[in-house]
Amino acid sequence: AQTVTQSQPEMSVQEAETVTLSCTYDTSESDYYLFWYKQPPSRQMILVIRQEAYKQQNATENRFSVNFQKAAKSFSLKISDSQLGDAAMYFCAYRSLHNNDMRFGAGTRLTVKP
Amino acid sequence: DTGVSQDPRHKITKRGQNVTFRCDPISEHNRLYWYRQTLGQGPEFLTYFQNEAQLEKSRLLSDRFSAERPKGSFSTLEIQRTEQGDSAMYLCASSLTSGGADTQYFGPGTRLTVL
Repeated sequence: AQTVTQSQPEMSVQEAETVTLSCTYDTSESDYYLFWYKQPPSRQMILVIRQEAYKQQNATENRFSVNFQKAAKSFSLKISDSQLGDAAMYFCAYRSLHNNDMRFGAGTRLTVKP
Repeated sequence: DTGVSQDPRHKITKRGQNVTFRCDPISEHNRLYWYRQTLGQGPEFLTYFQNEAQLEKSRLLSDRFSAERPKGSFSTLEIQRTEQGDSAMYLCASSLTSGGADTQYFGPGTRLTVL
């Protein structure tokens, strides 16, 4: 079964600085999707960025980018120019092409210091 | 478009009681998902509908849990004979089928506390 591991329960970053959140996953499949979701305190989860495994190019969405290392099964999220509104729980997620069972990591709580 | 809504937002019940939660997806979305999230953990997949058909169920979904989506629009999740271990946030998400991985939009969740 696929598993997703986020080894950093908590991270902090100074406002305007850059932070990288780590994620590794385990799978025997060659094609799949990876996601980063953000869950602000007491608010609903929203998609930050997604990556298709067959694409070699790393996905980018404004200040958010990923470093997708398929061979290493690593999918880290880089947040540039951190803002106070980036403070949230961040979840890495894996989804197979063959089903809709999305697997989430345990999350990383990001604190942004002014 | 008002997003995914869930009702109630909070539910406190006594062990052994039945509870039912409702999820209203984004109107044109044909897929609907239920997840459970316990404190300090990521969401765990429970079940998934495409239109009114329940296509996947997790092994986490014991026989005390049942979900329906009778007209392919809103969905209900019922838990019978609740146990303290059922205390969690129950999240609903919806999506529109696309050629690749459709983006799931999450609701605010229903927080269940079983006393």
